[in-house]
Amino acid sequence: DAGVIQSPRHEVTEMGQEVTLRCKPISGHDYLFWYRQTMMRGLELLIYFNNNVPIDDSGMPEDRFSAKMPNASFSTLKIQPSEPRDSAVYFCASRRGTSVTDTQYFGPGTRLTVL
Amino acid sequence: AQSVTQLGSHVSVSEGALVLLRCNYSSSVPPYLFWYVQYPNQGLQLLLKYTSAATLVKGINGFEAEFKKSETSFHLTKPSAHMSDAAEYFCAVKKSSGNTGKLIFGQGTTLQVKP
Repeated sequence: DAGVIQSPRHEVTEMGQEVTLRCKPISGHDYLFWYRQTMMRGLELLIYFNNNVPIDDSGMPEDRFSAKMPNASFSTLKIQPSEPRDSAVYFCASRRGTSVTDTQYFGPGTRLTVL
Repeated sequence: AQSVTQLGSHVSVSEGALVLLRCNYSSSVPPYLFWYVQYPNQGLQLLLKYTSAATLVKGINGFEAEFKKSETSFHLTKPSAHMSDAAEYFCAVKKSSGNTGKLIFGQGTTLQVKP
């Protein structure tokens, strides 16, 4: 299995631009998570989905952030408009939900720099 | 609410020395506990997990952790550090009740291994 796939791996954009991060979870996994990692705040859960439905988006920082999961094999995290404080590494992770102790598998991350 | 505290944001050991990374948890219900490792420019990967079966948990790469309810701790140890162990380590907690997806991560501990 290829693991969790994220694209792009690096993104540099200017303040005010729209940014779209993409994630392909592991086939057969029905939970998908978006995290943000910064030096200041560590690893934060932004939102997670179960069977393509958003379950908890309490970590989404503000309305500029939105996430979708149109099908079981694809999710996007969009920032519009982007701001310099959004610069971070964004991780996607997936899990098969048969047991609460099942492992979350992380993608390699997208390093976002907003100038 | 669940939380974890990792004591020490940076730990430095000599190659061959004991590795001890500290994690204390707070949980109103019996927790499930996890240690993840993040190598530079990579996503997180699971080292080991405690799911109430045995208090001493063995993981990959020679790491192990012991769940101590009386101390609310889940410290990670390895008898002899290798240069390849240099990475960031995250402790995480999840509620044992309900199949929620949320893992709550600690702030991370960077392990430096000196030759």
